[in-house]
Amino acid sequence: DAGVTQSPTHLIKTRGQQVTLRCSPKSGHDTVSWYQQALGQGPQFIFQYYEEEERQRGNFPDRFSGHQFPNYSSELNVNALLLGDSALYLCASSRVALRTDTQYFGPGTRLTVL
Amino acid sequence: AQTVTQSQPEMSVQEAETVTLSCTYDTSESDYYLFWYKQPPSRQMILVIRQEAYKQQNATENRFSVNFQKAAKSFSLKISDSQLGDAAMYFCAYRSPRGETSGSRLTFGEGTQLTVNP
Repeated sequence: DAGVTQSPTHLIKTRGQQVTLRCSPKSGHDTVSWYQQALGQGPQFIFQYYEEEERQRGNFPDRFSGHQFPNYSSELNVNALLLGDSALYLCASSRVALRTDTQYFGPGTRLTVL
Repeated sequence: AQTVTQSQPEMSVQEAETVTLSCTYDTSESDYYLFWYKQPPSRQMILVIRQEAYKQQNATENRFSVNFQKAAKSFSLKISDSQLGDAAMYFCAYRSPRGETSGSRLTFGEGTQLTVNP
């Protein structure tokens, strides 16, 4: 049973560029959440997708956008990259039908903006 | 908005000993979920244990147990018989109940770095 997968593992971009990160949820899961984790800090919630719609959004600018596909996989897009966007981006999946709705995390994508 | 506070940035324990990590949270909700996640140097976030607020019984998973004090809004993690592999950053997290159309974000604390000494 495959867990949550993310690609790529590492990414280096320059300021002003755009980036797309990808996430495939754990088998049987239908909800994908994205988090940004700066070095030495706890993860911060970016947004969550369910039924191909953004259900909840954290305090992030519109430069951060996402998408969920019919197979439940998801993309995170960041436009006009800033140095401050350098972080570990974590994807988590869960299943809405389960009361506990526990989120399981992927290995993350480490983004460096130069 | 809910907040989660971990007041111990660093903790250390001797191998085979017991250690307790503290977490407090602030919420006006009566039904919610609490989690402890472990993040080793690989930075993969791993679920350690979860607690549902409506359950009075403290959750236990092998060597890991929690002390959930709802009135005090406290949720500590106890690790018994500590092992070298327990060394990691530990995060406490809060989640509201999921609504029909609303999401279920996790709110994390700042983390506690646990060192296990041989």
